[in-house]
Amino acid sequence: AQSVTQPDIHITVSEGASLELRCNYSYGATPYLFWYVQSPGQGLQLLLKYFSGDTLVQGIKGFEAEFKRSQSSFNLRKPSVHWSDAAEYFCAVAASGGSYIPTFGRGTSLIVHP
Amino acid sequence: NAGVTQTPKFQVLKTGQSMTLQCAQDMNHEYMSWYRQDPGMGLRLIHYSVGAGITDQGEVPNGYNVSRSTTEDFPLRLLSAAPSQTSVYFCASSQLPGGTDTQYFGPGTRLTVL
Repeated sequence: AQSVTQPDIHITVSEGASLELRCNYSYGATPYLFWYVQSPGQGLQLLLKYFSGDTLVQGIKGFEAEFKRSQSSFNLRKPSVHWSDAAEYFCAVAASGGSYIPTFGRGTSLIVHP
Repeated sequence: NAGVTQTPKFQVLKTGQSMTLQCAQDMNHEYMSWYRQDPGMGLRLIHYSVGAGITDQGEVPNGYNVSRSTTEDFPLRLLSAAPSQTSVYFCASSQLPGGTDTQYFGPGTRLTVL
């Protein structure tokens, strides 16, 4: 079974600074990978996903993520954070063979200082 | 399109009471899922459905029942509420299995069991 780890519970950055949120997964083959964002009091919204092909994936709101097979990672990045990016971010992984049920990480809370 | 709708937004129950959380989607999606979100736990899958009349258990199904009589609706039933079921509940839908496609999430139902 697949698993996913988000090592950082909270991340604090200043507005305008760069951002990297970490995600590590455990799965024997190439997984399907997702990043979702949850604004306060809202449901989750997909930022980006990786299934195959180019390992650098572009998403909405200026986010990107890079799949690194050798490190079993799928870190989310943004070059310049805006105050509106403050939210909870979830990484999810699904097996590329099987039931395709995603497993979510515990989330990273992003705090943006003005 | 309303997307995924959930009712109620908030609910307080006493231990032993029963209730049904409603979920509906108007995107003609085959796949629907129920998750619960607890602090520090991320999202955990309760039950899911791959089409009308077909449901299956997720990671934490105990204490919950589901049915899928139509493509649009996927209600979640708590038969005898317990304090451990205090959580935020999210319904999600997708055209393909959730691990291979974008999931669209409802706004959530915040449930408190006293």
